[in-house]
Amino acid sequence: DVKVTQSSRYLVKRTGEKVFLECVQDMDHENMFWYRQDPGLGLRLIYFSYDVKMKEKGDIPEGYSVSREKKERFSLILESASTNQTSMYLCASKVGTSTDTQYFGPGTRLTVL
Amino acid sequence: DQQVKQNSPSLSVQEGRISILNCDYTNSMFDYFLWYKKYPAEGPTFLISISSIKDKNEDGRFTVFLNKSAKHLSLHIVPSQPGDSAVYFCAAARFGNEKLTFGTGTRLTIIP
Repeated sequence: DVKVTQSSRYLVKRTGEKVFLECVQDMDHENMFWYRQDPGLGLRLIYFSYDVKMKEKGDIPEGYSVSREKKERFSLILESASTNQTSMYLCASKVGTSTDTQYFGPGTRLTVL
Repeated sequence: DQQVKQNSPSLSVQEGRISILNCDYTNSMFDYFLWYKKYPAEGPTFLISISSIKDKNEDGRFTVFLNKSAKHLSLHIVPSQPGDSAVYFCAAARFGNEKLTFGTGTRLTIIP
């Protein structure tokens, strides 16, 4: 079974703090993704990575950065958290073929006060 | 600009009846479509997919229909069961592109 884990289920941070969200997958997948899910907006892609040290912007990259130093780990960084970044953050991974399934982690509910 | 739309935020269906979830897209370059199911406090899980060379794909109780000319797809669940109560997202992609574009989701409630 594919396992995608996220470091925290719930996180509360203050405005201006630097926030790290970690994601680890155990299936040697090339591609990893970060989404945020908001009511009425569905899942929106923030960043994705198709290889170690490689990254591409998704649809809403502003205010975020990412890091992929190892194949199994993909980190999402909020350099200076703001209240409009309060959301559910979902990580996903998949192998290299475009039609393969994305496997999601359980999500991190981030609240920025 | 929402390229994938699910116009019904919620749907309630009696247990045993058919559930029909709809999805529209605007980008004619999409050639692969997927449905994901999401329970509260869990990540989405893949349900069923269809490529643009087909107009129907079936997997047990789940069938996805694609109408390319209308840029419309639908997910049929027959018969509906209480465990089908979840949020359903449709997603679209282009072959060779790793990105998925998701719809806004439809919350399906199956009434016992």
